[in-house]
Amino acid sequence: GAVVSQHPSWVICKSGTSVKIECRSLDFQATTMFWYRQFPKQSLMLMATSNEGSKATYEQGVEKDKFLINHASLTLSTLTVTSAHPEDSSFYICSAPGAGEKLFFGSGTQLSVL
Amino acid sequence: LAKTTQPISMDSYEGQEVNITCSHNNIATNDYITWYQQFPSQGPRFIIQGYKTKVTNEVASLFIPADRKSSTLSLPRVSLSDTAVYYCLVGDIGTGGFKTIFGAGTRLFVKA
Repeated sequence: GAVVSQHPSWVICKSGTSVKIECRSLDFQATTMFWYRQFPKQSLMLMATSNEGSKATYEQGVEKDKFLINHASLTLSTLTVTSAHPEDSSFYICSAPGAGEKLFFGSGTQLSVL
Repeated sequence: LAKTTQPISMDSYEGQEVNITCSHNNIATNDYITWYQQFPSQGPRFIIQGYKTKVTNEVASLFIPADRKSSTLSLPRVSLSDTAVYYCLVGDIGTGGFKTIFGAGTRLFVKA
């Protein structure tokens, strides 16, 4: 089946630094990928839609200058949290639509900002 | 995008059948109904998908009435490892993208 690989699984960084999270579709091409964040015991919140070869589409209330998304190829999308602060600490998840009208999700990245 | 409504939580015991119903009153003609399972600190995992009537796979069944305004995920003989959050999503992936809006999901707790 289709696999979406997300790295790193967890990251701890100092306040003010930037963190990059990668999302790869391993055995299929994805012109679109989605990025979510999830707080403890809450549902996934869609942050943005990553589009290969064009700008990402951000959901209302999501700062595009803080959460930089790059979809450089048909198999790779990256989310960079710039100048991270403790309130950015969260679980970040990516997904890509694959065959059979299904979404395939990465394993998630736990970000902790000190 | 069709909004979904599910029970916030459910409890069950090992070996029982669990049915989780999702309401999606404004489902569109081209929308599919897909259920995902999420364990703590993991990404959601596909369980089952359907368009109408009944779909069954090795882990679950999905019942969809004729009006498609609701659907029921049926988990036969649950075990402790089925404790997770279950999400019902409704959308049309065929139009070039599947912008997903997650509802609150249903927290299933299976007890011994």
